Amino acid sequence: EVQLVQSGAEVKKPGATVKISCKVSGYTFTDYYMHWVQQAPGKGLEWMGLVDPEDGETIYAEKFQGRVTITADTSTDTAYMELSSLRSEDTAVYYCATSSSTSSNWFDPWGQGTLVTVSS
Amino acid sequence: DIVMTQSPDSLAVSLGERATINCKSSQSVLYSSNNKNYLAWYQQKPGQPPKLLIYWASTRESGVPDRFSGSGSGTDFTLTISSLQAEDVAVYYCQQYYSTLSYSFGQGTKLEIK
Repeated sequence: EVQLVQSGAEVKKPGATVKISCKVSGYTFTDYYMHWVQQAPGKGLEWMGLVDPEDGETIYAEKFQGRVTITADTSTDTAYMELSSLRSEDTAVYYCATSSSTSSNWFDPWGQGTLVTVSS
Repeated sequence: DIVMTQSPDSLAVSLGERATINCKSSQSVLYSSNNKNYLAWYQQKPGQPPKLLIYWASTRESGVPDRFSGSGSGTDFTLTISSLQAEDVAVYYCQQYYSTLSYSFGQGTKLEIK
């Protein structure tokens, strides 16, 4: 069974950095892209970026460029999303999700989500 | 970037009735070389991650009830639930995966029971 298990909830102060993990099992980590998606409270889904675990290449959404870093550790089959210079608007649930690295790029499955609260 | 716009933002339908959600993309997501529409639909229930329902605009994911169907091509797409069940109350999102440099979702449609 394919599973994506994310790290637990975080509370951070404005200006801080948060790093969330997403550990995968049930498939070959390097065969699929890993995406990160932000969902603010009561809001929709916003794609943040992806990493290709095979070579570490990344693509970031323009909105998050410069503040987000997505990495993949093939020794532990774990992907990471680091978001810096946190502000209150970054309070959200963050999801990891996989997609094929070919043309079939829909997102499936998803992790359970990690709540990040930014508050002074 | 491709902008995805869903309509309506919310919808109330009686149990057993048809629900229809629309999704429009700012540019075509039909790839001419394979004649496939790079469009997916997801269902999200409160406190849960999104769940894939449909990909290639009309292919139902394994295990998804056949009351869910997707249609459309190019820039205009529709998700239809033929006979609404109580467990279908959720927010539904469309997503384009045509532009692999910038994936994008619609704003979501909240489906409730009338």
